Amino acid sequence: AQRVTQPEKLLSVFKGAPVELKCNYSYSGSPELFWYVQYSRQRLQLLLRHISRESIKGFTADLNKGETSFHLKKPFAQEEDSAMYYCALRNRDDKIIFGKGTRLHILP
Amino acid sequence: NAGVTQTPKFHILKTGQSMTLQCAQDMNHGYLSWYRQDPGMGLRRIHYSVAAGITDKGEVPDGYNVSRSNTEDFPLRLESAAPSQTSVYFCASSYSRLAGGTTYEQYFGPGTRLTVT
Repeated sequence: AQRVTQPEKLLSVFKGAPVELKCNYSYSGSPELFWYVQYSRQRLQLLLRHISRESIKGFTADLNKGETSFHLKKPFAQEEDSAMYYCALRNRDDKIIFGKGTRLHILP
Repeated sequence: NAGVTQTPKFHILKTGQSMTLQCAQDMNHGYLSWYRQDPGMGLRRIHYSVAAGITDKGEVPDGYNVSRSNTEDFPLRLESAAPSQTSVYFCASSYSRLAGGTTYEQYFGPGTRLTVT
């Protein structure tokens, strides 16, 4: 079955510390993977897509096909990073699957 | 461009009442989806459409109906609301492979917070 797993519901990190939000997927083909972010009372918005291999707001995510992972990382957390983060997969048939989300809480 | 718009922003409904949540996009996207967001459950897709005239069920379609008569609009109908449908509803759009799209990020609407009493 195709699935996206975000094992942590809540992650609390001190400001300035490194952040890693985990995402694992199960899909036999080559998926497209995304990270979406939702700040308090705002709409979800795209943060990163694996195709672009970009860094947005200091965040990066590398697709590891061997480990079927797409973890989101940032070397130094900032208070404004506090938000809900969703990992999502889109397969060849255009099916979209979201993980259950991880709430990131940056401690001062 | 307004992007993806949703109305209303908030609504309180009584059990058994019906209502339609509106979703519209002006980006000429073919692919539209409705999600509900509940604490601890993440985002779950209700229904989706890859083009006008084509709709399909998502993970949690029971109690909801959709229609897609044109590219822009994708209303979600609750025929007989139940308290279990209390949630925040998001509409999202993107290009679809059917239309030859090459980027598939989704654009989300601002959400509708629905309470069923």
